[in-house]
Amino acid sequence: QKEVEQNSGPLSVPEGAIASLNCTYSDRGSQSFFWYRQYSGKSPELIMFIYSNGDKEDGRFTAQLNKASQYVSLLIRDSQPSDSATYLCAVNEGGGTSYGKLTFGQGTILTVHP
Amino acid sequence: GAVVSQHPSRVICKSGTSVKIECRSLDFQATTMFWYRQFPKQSLMLMATSNEGSKATYEQGVEKDKFLINHASLTLSTLTVTSAHPEDSSFYICSAPYSGETQYFGPGTRLLVL
Repeated sequence: QKEVEQNSGPLSVPEGAIASLNCTYSDRGSQSFFWYRQYSGKSPELIMFIYSNGDKEDGRFTAQLNKASQYVSLLIRDSQPSDSATYLCAVNEGGGTSYGKLTFGQGTILTVHP
Repeated sequence: GAVVSQHPSRVICKSGTSVKIECRSLDFQATTMFWYRQFPKQSLMLMATSNEGSKATYEQGVEKDKFLINHASLTLSTLTVTSAHPEDSSFYICSAPYSGETQYFGPGTRLLVL
């Protein structure tokens, strides 16, 4: 059973602070990793993806991947109240018949308070 | 990012009736699409993989005779919930991969079965 684990939170941070969201996965063969943001009542929207070990930055967002530790994280700098949402970590199982299939974590609820 | 649409956005039906949900990729072709279901306060659960020109692949525990999937063209997949019951009430979301393994989600269809 492939699993993706996230702390469900809620995680509360003040406006302007750094929010740190964490995710671990069980399948060592996983190839690619995604962070989605989901506002209440809406479908997920892609924030970032990462394939290689290390950091990947996009604006206020930084994804970090450590395949040896089976750990992926998302940092949000200068957090804004509009960042308040559920953040979903998703892991792609890899190629072959599993191509494109994502396994989602349970999501972390982030609240950014003014 | 790529655009995926769904129709209808919301549907209310009587128990025992069938409901069809459409998923379209608007500006790209998708030989594969994915159907997810999300219950309140839970994460997304993959139901099935829709394949253009061949049968859908269902996840374990998903009844293929109840959830009929037809991938009619390179831009359209449909999910039909047959003989719907109140326990089928949920948020149904489709996704399509674009530019490799990155998946983009439709806005979702909220189904309420009375």
